[in-house]
Amino acid sequence: GNSVTQMEGPVTLSEEAFLTINCTYTATGYPSLFWYVQYPGEGLQLLLKATKADDKGSNKGFEATYRKETTSFHLEKGSVQVSDSAVYFCALRGAGGTSYGKLTFGQGTILTVHP
Amino acid sequence: GAVVSQHPSRVICKSGTSVKIECRSLDFQATTMFWYRQFPKQSLMLMATSNEGSKATYEQGVEKDKFLINHASLTLSTLTVTSAHPEDSSFYICSASAASGLAGAPTDTQYFGPGTRLTVL
Repeated sequence: GNSVTQMEGPVTLSEEAFLTINCTYTATGYPSLFWYVQYPGEGLQLLLKATKADDKGSNKGFEATYRKETTSFHLEKGSVQVSDSAVYFCALRGAGGTSYGKLTFGQGTILTVHP
Repeated sequence: GAVVSQHPSRVICKSGTSVKIECRSLDFQATTMFWYRQFPKQSLMLMATSNEGSKATYEQGVEKDKFLINHASLTLSTLTVTSAHPEDSSFYICSASAASGLAGAPTDTQYFGPGTRLTVL
């Protein structure tokens, strides 16, 4: 079945530091890939997505590139802010079979940014 | 756009009672809605998928008689936890995806509600 593996956290950074959260996946076919963010006490918000190989998703200074050759979708941001502190989830949307349309999530990475 | 609401945001109930959670798409028609469960500091686990007007499809290991899902309209799905027990305490999250194009197939983006914290005493 499909699976998503994220780098384990928690990740603690100082403001303006560079952020990378690794994400790799296993899936059949050509899934769509997503990053969701969950702020404390809130539901998940879509951060960015990519639907095919070599696509780059970007939003709010975050970006991730769909790398089919390495089955990866690493999240990056050049300069993090305190307000970026949240839990980040990598996810894929199944492309076929019984997993079609379903999201499979990674375990989540807690990011804390200090002033 | 693409706002999903859930009600209530928090509920505390006694063991043995039933609790209904509503999930609404406020500004789009949701052909497909999903229900997830999230344990503390863990990822989301898909419980079931529901399409408007048809029976929900439950994931393996999820008791359909315990977690009743109804998707009666294109903007509303409900999850009823029947005869709740303390082990059912969790954060329940719904998501919705819209139909796209002439084919009516769901788009690839799910929009999530803010979640409902259920505590069973």
